[in-house]
Amino acid sequence: SAVISQKPSRDICQRGTSLTIQCQVDSQVTMMFWYRQQPGQSLTLIATANQGSEATYESGFVIDKFPISRPNLTFSTLTVSNMSPEDSSIYLCSAPGNYGYTFGSGTRLTVV
Amino acid sequence: GQQLNQSPQSMFIQEGEDVSMNCTSSSIFNTWLWYKQDPGEGPVLLIALYKAGELTSNGRLTAQFGITRKDSFLNISASIPSDVGIYFCAGRPPGNEKLTFGTGTRLTIIP
Repeated sequence: SAVISQKPSRDICQRGTSLTIQCQVDSQVTMMFWYRQQPGQSLTLIATANQGSEATYESGFVIDKFPISRPNLTFSTLTVSNMSPEDSSIYLCSAPGNYGYTFGSGTRLTVV
Repeated sequence: GQQLNQSPQSMFIQEGEDVSMNCTSSSIFNTWLWYKQDPGEGPVLLIALYKAGELTSNGRLTAQFGITRKDSFLNISASIPSDVGIYFCAGRPPGNEKLTFGTGTRLTIIP
């Protein structure tokens, strides 16, 4: 299965600022997925990132708040913009592999 | 977004006991996946199931893809301390690459 390197692993940010999270996959993948995991909750899909086209966002998530880049088949970024304490969550990227879907180790974001 | 019904929500067991958890859906899936998440980590894939009725083992773990394609279960035999964590099921519907996740089962081992 693909191996995904995600960074930063954690950050504490001031409200009103933005944070960009990066994911690097060790193989080329057509799709990458970004999830949010609020404290004590399951994973909720934010958007699907395809190389060469705009990301597709799930209901409740918008591009202005969570802009995504997918410059090539091994890399993607998610930006959490104009942060508020409600954005404090774990953010995870994922990609399909030969055996199931692999996840990055997550970015634990705390907004103060 | 939609989430799968996963039960139980939490389990408190003694070391050596067997564990069983399941996920159900109102719609069919083509793939069922079972993940374990430790604190501060991303989910790690345990077992992937691709065919209705499929029964797959990974060491002490066994999972089955329900015949109706609307459910799956995960069993853990002879639990050990490192089994502690949160287990998630995830399903992939036909014609869709996106996963839907279960609500999670938190496993705690009582000393």
